[in-house]
Amino acid sequence: DAGVTQSPTHLIKTRGQQVTLRCSPKSGHDTVSWYQQALGQGPQFIFQYYEEEERQRGNFPDRFSGHQFPNYSSELNVNALLLGDSALYLCASSLGGWGLYSYEQYFGPGTRLTVT
Amino acid sequence: AQKITQTQPGMFVQEKEAVTLDCTYDTSDPSYGLFWYKQPSSGEMIFLIYQGSYDQQNATEGRYSLNFQKARKSANLVISASQLGDSAMYFCAMREPYGGSQGNLIFGKGTKLSVKP
Repeated sequence: DAGVTQSPTHLIKTRGQQVTLRCSPKSGHDTVSWYQQALGQGPQFIFQYYEEEERQRGNFPDRFSGHQFPNYSSELNVNALLLGDSALYLCASSLGGWGLYSYEQYFGPGTRLTVT
Repeated sequence: AQKITQTQPGMFVQEKEAVTLDCTYDTSDPSYGLFWYKQPSSGEMIFLIYQGSYDQQNATEGRYSLNFQKARKSANLVISASQLGDSAMYFCAMREPYGGSQGNLIFGKGTKLSVKP
């Protein structure tokens, strides 16, 4: 049973460029959440996708956008990269949104983005 | 606003001893869930234990237990019989509402646990 997978593992970009990160949820999961984790900090919620729609969004600018595909995989896009976007980007999957028995979020290994 | 506070940036524990990692939270919603995650140097967040705000008993999962004191708004993680593999960052997180359809996690800044042989 495959867990949450993310690609690429590492990425180096230049300021002003655009980047796309990818996530495949755990088998059977239909909800994907994205988090940004700056060095030495806890993860911060970016947004959540369920049924191919953005259902909830954290305090991140519109430069951060996403998409969920019919197979439940998801992409995170960041435009006009800033140095401050350098971080570990974590994807988490869960089942059925946040129903009573679906409280667990399973995290992937993350994509480490460096902006120079 | 919801908030998670972890006041211990780093902790040391001797192998085979128990250790308590502190977590306090702030929320005005009576329904919420509390989580602990372990993050080794590889970066992946590993789910350890969950406590719902209406759960009557403290959660336990193997060597992990959650000391839930609702009135004090604290949810400390207790790791019994520490092992070298327990060395990692530990994050406390909160989700609200309990059982609701929305569920982003709010994380604390983490505690780095080092287990000494």
